[in-house]
Amino acid sequence: GAVVSQHPSWVICKSGTSVKIECRSLDFQATTMFWYRQFPKQSLMLMATSNEGSKATYEQGVEKDKFLINHASLTLSTLTVTSAHPEDSSFYICSARDPGLAWNEQFFGPGTRLTVL
Amino acid sequence: QQQVKQSPQSLIVQKGGISIINCAYENTAFDYFPWYQQFPGKGPALLIAIRPDVSEKKEGRFTISFNKSAKQFSLHIMDSQPGDSATYFCAATNYGQNFVFGPGTRLSVLP
Repeated sequence: GAVVSQHPSWVICKSGTSVKIECRSLDFQATTMFWYRQFPKQSLMLMATSNEGSKATYEQGVEKDKFLINHASLTLSTLTVTSAHPEDSSFYICSARDPGLAWNEQFFGPGTRLTVL
Repeated sequence: QQQVKQSPQSLIVQKGGISIINCAYENTAFDYFPWYQQFPGKGPALLIAIRPDVSEKKEGRFTISFNKSAKQFSLHIMDSQPGDSATYFCAATNYGQNFVFGPGTRLSVLP
């Protein structure tokens, strides 16, 4: 299957700072990438859909000014958590859709653990 | 209805046994049903997936059974191994739409 990477794999930051997480599709061009948030022992919660060259589509209840998404190329999407607070601590996972596949498959990255002190 | 229900919430199986996880959906427009396996601290990995034009798909020890009329699908793990201990998520979608995930099942396979 296709490979999606994330960087960093974990990050610890102070409250009030901003953190950027990168999501890359390594062996395919992803016109659409997705950002999820996962709390311990819970399912994945879709935060936003990122389309290359256009504005991201945010799910209801997700603050677009707090979670900035940029999909500047067909292989890279970034999520910036601005003015992070302890309640933003979570496991953030991206996924990418390979437009070359007939099936509607998403390939997930390994996730980024964010801890805000 | 976009919800996907999943049961049980947790499951304990002896090594060599069969693990069965069930999911149910409401939206008849869904046409792709994947199962994901997630280990602690890792992203979900595709395990196996099925389209509604078949009733069963088998890949190694993993089998999906699909009942279109009942709007249910299940994952069977044959000869369960301790290395299968993970959280399993079912999902449903139709092309161009977002995935809807089940709440997950924590599987523990005892040695």
